[in-house]
Amino acid sequence: DQQVKQNSPSLSVQEGRISILNCDYTNSMFDYFLWYKKYPAEGPTFLISISSIKDKNEDGRFTVFLNKSAKHLSLHIVPSQPGDSAVYFCAASGYGNKLVFGAGTILRVKS
Amino acid sequence: DAGITQSPRHKVTETGTPVTLRCHQTENHRYMYWYRQDPGHGLRLIHYSYGVKDTDKGEVSDGYSVSRSKTEDFLLTLESATSSQTSVYFCAISEGQNTGELFFGEGSRLTVL
Repeated sequence: DQQVKQNSPSLSVQEGRISILNCDYTNSMFDYFLWYKKYPAEGPTFLISISSIKDKNEDGRFTVFLNKSAKHLSLHIVPSQPGDSAVYFCAASGYGNKLVFGAGTILRVKS
Repeated sequence: DAGITQSPRHKVTETGTPVTLRCHQTENHRYMYWYRQDPGHGLRLIHYSYGVKDTDKGEVSDGYSVSRSKTEDFLLTLESATSSQTSVYFCAISEGQNTGELFFGEGSRLTVL
């Protein structure tokens, strides 16, 4: 049973517009929620995270929102750029930094 | 960038043969992890280590073993490779601060024929 779900396999957005990637989780014991970005033939790289005690974290063009009652988080990218085209993985962290990942969403930003 | 090196980067092998993937770090991080990435599944944890000779299983550990005799090296072994183990394998490291931030290697693509 998947504890972290990304229900949209892909998303296409026009350059300059907002990209919204969504993620749902089932385990209320997760401490941190994270987004990783992955380019082809490279390893995933950390993008942004949020503690379970917060509801928003912002870093430049990237903002993550956490709704604990709905067990839902989202990543907003504003404005979207062609270099943002990648696979985005949602992840949740428990003890020992053991991450549980979603299946990923392929973001394509069209110029 | 975190100093993580995976070897080999690409390997093709036959069913039933043993395979060992190596992860080497220069960051002196305590925690090391092996994940596999498959379409539709994201990344799934195979095994992890929280210190030299201290390892534990992840969610997809069947058919895999690991060893960590030195802080810098974490080996993943497939004793008898099967086609279902065709995947991209990623090693990751962390300082273990429970924040979830991992640094990943570039991956090892394994094909089992």
